[in-house]
Amino acid sequence: DAGVTQSPTHLIKTRGQQVTLRCSPKSGHDTVSWYQQALGQGPQFIFQYYEEEERQRGNFPDRFSGHQFPNYSSELNVNALLLGDSALYLCASSEPSLGTDTQYFGPGTRLTVL
Amino acid sequence: GIQVEQSPPDLILQEGANSTLRCNFSDSVNNLQWFHQNPWGQLINLFYIPSGTKQNGRLSATTVATERYSLLYISSSQTTDSGVYFCAVEASGGFKTIFGAGTRLFVKA
Repeated sequence: DAGVTQSPTHLIKTRGQQVTLRCSPKSGHDTVSWYQQALGQGPQFIFQYYEEEERQRGNFPDRFSGHQFPNYSSELNVNALLLGDSALYLCASSEPSLGTDTQYFGPGTRLTVL
Repeated sequence: GIQVEQSPPDLILQEGANSTLRCNFSDSVNNLQWFHQNPWGQLINLFYIPSGTKQNGRLSATTVATERYSLLYISSSQTTDSGVYFCAVEASGGFKTIFGAGTRLFVKA
């Protein structure tokens, strides 16, 4: 049973560019959440997708957008990159209908903005 | 919004020692999880524990939801326990998960 997978592993971009990160949830999971983790800090909630809709959003600007596909995989898009967007981006999946809301995390994508 | 505070922020242990990590939260929660983040950044599930007590090998956790805190116990620590331990909660009535700042643990051989 494959866990949560993310691609790419690492990415280097320059200011002003756009980036797309990808996440495949754990088998059987229909809910995907995205987090940003700056160096030395805890993960910060960006948004959660369920049934292809954004269900809740954290305190992130509209430059951060996402999408969930019918197979439950998800993308995170960041436009007009800033130096401060450099971070580890984590994806987590869960299946609340199973009776728990346990989140399982992927290995992350490390984004560097120069 | 809900606040999550973890203590201590840093902890250095000799191999074989026991420790207790604490997580305080400011409002009622739907769920609470403990994670271990390894040096490569992977977050590993330890416990899903919105209330009660659970044990898994040398680790155990207790959440007292009415008093808004959770404890993670590590017994007979090993060098492989080193890393950052996070508490994460989902506030009641929402789907947003809030992480604490973490406890950085270093276990010396």
